[in-house]
Amino acid sequence: QSALTQPPSASGSPGQSVAISCTGTSSDVGAYGSVSWYQQHPGKAPKLMIYGVSKRPSGVPDRFSGSKSGNTASLTVSGLQADDEADYYCSSYAGSNNLVFGGGTKLTVL
Amino acid sequence: QVQLQESGPGLVKSSGTLSLSCAVSGGSISSSDWWSWVRQPPGKGLEWIGEIYHSGSTNYNPSLKSRVTISVDKSRNRLSLKLASVTAADTAVYYCAAGQLVNGFDPWGQGILVTVSS
Repeated sequence: QSALTQPPSASGSPGQSVAISCTGTSSDVGAYGSVSWYQQHPGKAPKLMIYGVSKRPSGVPDRFSGSKSGNTASLTVSGLQADDEADYYCSSYAGSNNLVFGGGTKLTVL
Repeated sequence: QVQLQESGPGLVKSSGTLSLSCAVSGGSISSSDWWSWVRQPPGKGLEWIGEIYHSGSTNYNPSLKSRVTISVDKSRNRLSLKLASVTAADTAVYYCAAGQLVNGFDPWGQGILVTVSS
């Protein structure tokens, strides 16, 4: 099972919006509404930001939103803040009780 | 709020078996649907290793299935990971996490770095 494809980097200025893509196949992202997004600061454990494509866990700001079109999911961060600078990983259920992650995107707040 | 804490040797010899534990506090291991192990090689991305239900049912990443065993000890409220025949490619930070594959993992443990030495 191949990893999902994410851009290695993304950037934006404070207050701006940035979108991070996550491209899979018709066997994972395209097949299931089970895409999650994680934020990981250096040296820390990942934190769930989005699940079920577009749902936010309690406590996650509504500046973070998720969507999906075909085999590509996206995470949009609006009103960028300094603390949003981190690595972001997507994951998708891939059927047959298997899960795949993306390679990660380093978000830089300029 | 459930908290997770990984523990185990930080150094394992090549061809040996990696053994880790994950202690669950703030709640019963039987209260969550599934528990997973995820790893992250230094400077690289995340890889799902496998999951276990508190009843003992397991699912594994096909790429690791032949070497992985995940178990649960309800009396001690912890889960365990064993990875056999390790090589340098298994050097990673290993995390335990709660949740179903379809709903995301939350929370996560702090992670433990395991280095495989030759």
